Amino acid sequence: EVQLVESGGGLVQPGGSLRLSCAASGFTFTNSWMSWIRQTPGEGLEWVANIKPDGSEGYYVESVKGRFTISRDNAKNSLFLQMNSLRAEDTAVYYCATTLGGVWGQGTTVTVSS
Amino acid sequence: DVVMTQSPLSLPVTLGQPASISCRSSQGLVDSDGTTRLNWFQQRPGQSPRRLIYRVSNRDSGVPDRFSGSGSGTDFTLKISRVEAEDVGVYYCMQYIHWPHTFGQGTKLEIK
Repeated sequence: EVQLVESGGGLVQPGGSLRLSCAASGFTFTNSWMSWIRQTPGEGLEWVANIKPDGSEGYYVESVKGRFTISRDNAKNSLFLQMNSLRAEDTAVYYCATTLGGVWGQGTTVTVSS
Repeated sequence: DVVMTQSPLSLPVTLGQPASISCRSSQGLVDSDGTTRLNWFQQRPGQSPRRLIYRVSNRDSGVPDRFSGSGSGTDFTLKISRVEAEDVGVYYCMQYIHWPHTFGQGTKLEIK
């Protein structure tokens, strides 16, 4: 079964850090561009970051550049999002997905609040 | 950023009747290989988004044939030939040729 399972969300204070993880199974992860996408009630769906299959390069939406880092471990079929200097506006459900959108995880909720 | 504009934002439909959602992009979505990079997604209440249509008009595996996509250039349409109860949810178009990839605002389909 093709599956993506996120973990690592939670409540964090402004300025804090959080690391999201995504475990992939059922497809050839090592050949796949991967992404993090977030969803808020007010702003809808927003693409956060992409990473190449070999992990050599990541691409970020302007609002998270310099604060978030996307990475992957192909040996463990895992995707990560390191989030630093978190702000209230980063509060969202974060989805792990293949970049073409064919596979999505169930999402993990990040809440940035004091 | 490329702006994806959907209409309508709310779509009440009688069961068995057709439905149509429009999506307009602020820039062209045709890649250098001639492929148009436009997908459609469905998000049912309480669920993650699910891709329905890729590259404008190709249905994903398991998607009923009452769903169809069309369009070119900057104007695209998702059509449902006969709405069923399970079609309730929010529909999004998405472009993935320009970075950052962007979604439309979403169209909420409900049953009248």
